[in-house]
This record gives sequence, structure tokens and C-alpha cells, in this order.
Amino acid sequence: EAEVAQSPRYKITEKSQAVAFWCDPISGHATLYWYRQILGQGPELLVQFQDESVVDDSQLPKDRFSAERLKGVDSTLKIQPAELGDSAMYLCASSRDRSGNTIYFGEGSWLTVV
Amino acid sequence: AQTVTQSQPEMSVQEAETVTLSCTYDTSESDYYLFWYKQPPSRQMILVIRQEAYKQQNATENRFSVNFQKAAKSFSLKISDSQLGDAAMYFCAYRTYNTDKLIFGTGTRLQVFP
Repeated sequence: EAEVAQSPRYKITEKSQAVAFWCDPISGHATLYWYRQILGQGPELLVQFQDESVVDDSQLPKDRFSAERLKGVDSTLKIQPAELGDSAMYLCASSRDRSGNTIYFGEGSWLTVV
Repeated sequence: AQTVTQSQPEMSVQEAETVTLSCTYDTSESDYYLFWYKQPPSRQMILVIRQEAYKQQNATENRFSVNFQKAAKSFSLKISDSQLGDAAMYFCAYRTYNTDKLIFGTGTRLQVFP
């Protein structure tokens, strides 16, 4: 069964350093999401792509976070500079399109900022 | 703005017994989807069950069923014949037809005892 791939699974970085996460959605899925899940809370949407275009980035802290999906396939989420409050799990998800199809999640990338 | 509330941070159940997880939501929309997702420790979030708001019939997937009360904005999950593998965090989520954005509750940690 196809899965959403994410890397790295775990990342420890120092405050003020840069960090990047990569996501490869299920083949053929046009919609890609990045969620942030703080320990003890539910995931919160950071950014949503439809193919290579950003559909929703209203909750993305744009002063330090950036996301791209240049060829409409895989995606990178970058944080620069990282802050202590960025420690969380970053979940990537994908769906076939925007018509209500099931959203599939990756295993997530755990970030600890020290 | 839509919100999802899960008032039970933790629940426990004995193997083979039945447990019900509660979820309420707030929205002014008439058309939407509701979901229950399961997140095992260190594993990806997977869809347990979904409900379209226009359907009066409650969704069922094997041992999992929902009690959808649209007027009361309530969406509870019933797990019958609980198994050890059901132990996980369970998230209730809401999704509009228009935005495809999943809004999650804070989750309920389910423990299953032998």
C-alpha cells in the first residue's frame, strides 16, 4: 500500500539554526498538506498545496517558515531560524484532490529545538 | 470559525468491552465531513471512519461506529469488542466542503487493558 514518506523522522537542532523537512506524497495525489502537532494537542494546518500552488498558508509563520512544492510532487518545509517553541511533530499529508477524498498522513518528523 | 472539542483527555476499556469517545463541534455550515483518526504511538495517523453531514445514517466500519447528531453537533465514536491494538490517540476532525482543511480536536488517549 502506498504511503506518504517523510524525512528525517527525528531532528534535534539548536536554537537559531536552520532545519528542513521533506515529504513525498502518494503518487498521483495533487493536494499536499503540512501540519504541526504540538505534544498533547491536535494537528494544526500550516500550509496546503494544490499541485505546485499554495492554497492556504494563513497559519504559516512566514517570518521563519517557508514551504515549496516546485514540481507539484514532493515538498520541503523549512524553518529558519528555529526557536524553542517550534519543537513539535511536523506531519505531511496528501489526498487525490480537493473533492473530499481521504487525506493520508505520513509518520511525521519530530523536531526538538535546544 | 469552526472548532472541535474532545472533552475526554483519557479513556480506558477492558479488552472485548465497548467504549465510546465523545466529540462536539461548532460550525455555521450545513455541508461538511466529520472524521475519526487513530494515531498509534510513533505511527502515522490513519482514518478510522468518516461521516458526510448530509447523510442521516450513522457510518459503520466493522467494530467502529458513530453516533452523529447533527442538530446537537455531536459526533461520538463507539468501539465494540475492544482489542489491545485499539490503544492509541483518537482525534475527531471536521472538514468543510469548500476548503478541504481538517480541523482537529485535542485528542483522546485510549488505553486497552487485557
